[in-house]
Order: sequence, then C-alpha cells, then structure tokens
Amino acid sequence: AQSVSQHNHHVILSEAASLELGCNYSYGGTVNLFWYVQYPGQHLQLLLKYFSGDPLVKGIKGFEAEFIKSKFSFNLRKPSVQWSDTAEYFCAVNEYNTDKLIFGTGTRLQVFP
Amino acid sequence: GAGVSQTPSNKVTEKGKYVELRCDPISGHTALYWYRQSLGQGPEFLIYFQGTGAADDSGLPNDRFFAVRPEGSVSTLKIQRTERGDSAVYLCASSPTGEGADTQYFGPGTRLTVL
Repeated sequence: AQSVSQHNHHVILSEAASLELGCNYSYGGTVNLFWYVQYPGQHLQLLLKYFSGDPLVKGIKGFEAEFIKSKFSFNLRKPSVQWSDTAEYFCAVNEYNTDKLIFGTGTRLQVFP
Repeated sequence: GAGVSQTPSNKVTEKGKYVELRCDPISGHTALYWYRQSLGQGPEFLIYFQGTGAADDSGLPNDRFFAVRPEGSVSTLKIQRTERGDSAVYLCASSPTGEGADTQYFGPGTRLTVL
C-alpha cells in the first residue's frame, strides 16, 4: 500500500528563517503530489500541487516544492517564513488518475516574531 | 462562492448510538470524498462518490459505516453502533471531476465524540 512520510512532526522557527519540510512517498509509478495547509481554526486548503512538467512547483504565499522522482520526495520550501505561516502542513499523494489522497501525518509549524 | 459545508460542526453521542453526518459539496462538483482525521494524524480516506455511485469505498473500516449520495449532490455518512474509537474529525471534500490531478476542496469537518 502507498504511504507518505513526513519526518518533521513539529518545527519551530523565527520570522525570516528559511523553511524546508520533508515529504517522501512509497509508490513507484506515476503520481500526483500535493501540499495542503491548515491554519488554526480553518479547514484544509491547497498550497500547491504537481502532476506533470516542471518538477519545481510554485504555490500560494511564496511556497514552492520540488519533485525529485529518484528520491521519491516532494519537499516544501519557503525562503523566509512569516508569523502568519504558523499552521499544520500535510503532504499527500495519489496514483495517477485515481481518486483518493493518501496523506502524511502532518508537520506542525510554529513561527515566532 | 460557497465552499464545502458540513453539519453538524460538532456531534457528541454515546457508545452504541447511530449518527449521521452531512456534507454539501461545491455546486457542480461531481466527485465527493469522505476522510477521517484522528488526533495527531493526517486525513484517512473513507469513500469516494462519482455522481450518485460509490466509486471506491475501500477505506470504510467496517460495515458499521455507510454513506449515500442519492441525488449526486449532498452526501450523508452514517455510522451505526458507534464506538469510542470512532471519535475523530470527519472531513468531506469535493472536486470538479474526480480525476487524480484535480484539487480536492475540503469542508470544515464534523468533530464526532463518542462517550
């Protein structure tokens, strides 16, 4: 069965620090990859997604992620975090043209001013 | 426009009781998904509807769980003989077509507590 691993469970940063959250998946075939974010008190929303083409994907709020097929990875990055980035971040994958998303356990990010 | 809505936002019930959770997807979205999120975990897939039919129910944990979408819009997740282990946030999502690369839009969830 497919699985998604997020190795960083809790990350604490100061504003303006750089961020990289790890995500690895287990499926060896063609995949679609997603990062979702859940701000405190809000519902899950899409940050960015990869399904084909340029492996460097840019999303909302200055986030980007790089798909590295050989490493089965889709790490999320942001060069300079803000206090408002405090949230929980979930990586998810589905097999090409299938329906369900398989989520990682999430990474809680706290950014202090 | 309106997003995915779910009712109730919170549900407290006693062990052994029956509960129904409702999801109103984004208008025009043909695909609807149910997920369950336990404390400290990511969402876990339960069932996927394409129109009125359940296209994939492989995530339903056992036969106490059932979901319907009779008119291809609103969906109801039904849990019989609830157990304390069913306590979780139940999330609904919808997408325009259900194709793999589609963005799934999530609702706020229903927090179910089984005492």
